[in-house]
Amino acid sequence: EPEVTQTPSHQVTQMGQEVILRCVPISNHLYFYWYRQILGQKVEFLVSFYNNEISEKSEIFDDQFSVERPDGSNFTLKIRSTKLEDSAMYFCASRETGLTEAFFGQGTRLTVV
Amino acid sequence: GDSVTQMEGPVTLSEEAFLTINCTYTATGYPSLFWYVQYPGEGLQLLLKATKADDKGSNKGFEATYRKETTSFHLEKGSVQVSDSAVYFCALSEGADKLIFGTGTRLQVFP
Repeated sequence: EPEVTQTPSHQVTQMGQEVILRCVPISNHLYFYWYRQILGQKVEFLVSFYNNEISEKSEIFDDQFSVERPDGSNFTLKIRSTKLEDSAMYFCASRETGLTEAFFGQGTRLTVV
Repeated sequence: GDSVTQMEGPVTLSEEAFLTINCTYTATGYPSLFWYVQYPGEGLQLLLKATKADDKGSNKGFEATYRKETTSFHLEKGSVQVSDSAVYFCALSEGADKLIFGTGTRLQVFP
């Protein structure tokens, strides 16, 4: 069964460093998303991406964040200068055109120290 | 703006007990409604969905009915198993757009 894959599963980084979280969406999906879940809290929307551009972003998704689809398969989230409060589980999701449900990857746990 | 409210957890049940996890929503339009499940150490898995009023989503013995009059989408299962222990998230999406999640409800089932 096709699935969304994310790498790495866990990343530890020092405050102020740049990180890139990687995702491979399901191959025929055209809508891509990033969400995050701070430990013990709700899952929050960060950004949606369609047709090689951001279609919507939340207040959390400030200038420190960027997304890119560098090739036909990968979808990345970059955090330019990490802060302690960026520590969270980051989930990538994708959705097929015409369907309402999104499918999630296993997540990347980001720990900023 | 749109929002989802779930009952506080944890919900603690014995195996074979009946489960209800309440979920209500606020939306400006006619959203699709979802339940996602997160097993320990894993990502989010779609459990079931409903796209219009009075639709019933079902999967793995879980059910939820889209009630427009009460703006609710309560999750039910007739007989829970230990393996159902997880965190359950209610969510909505307007126009097949981003998902808005509730806070999640942890279910613990004991033998």
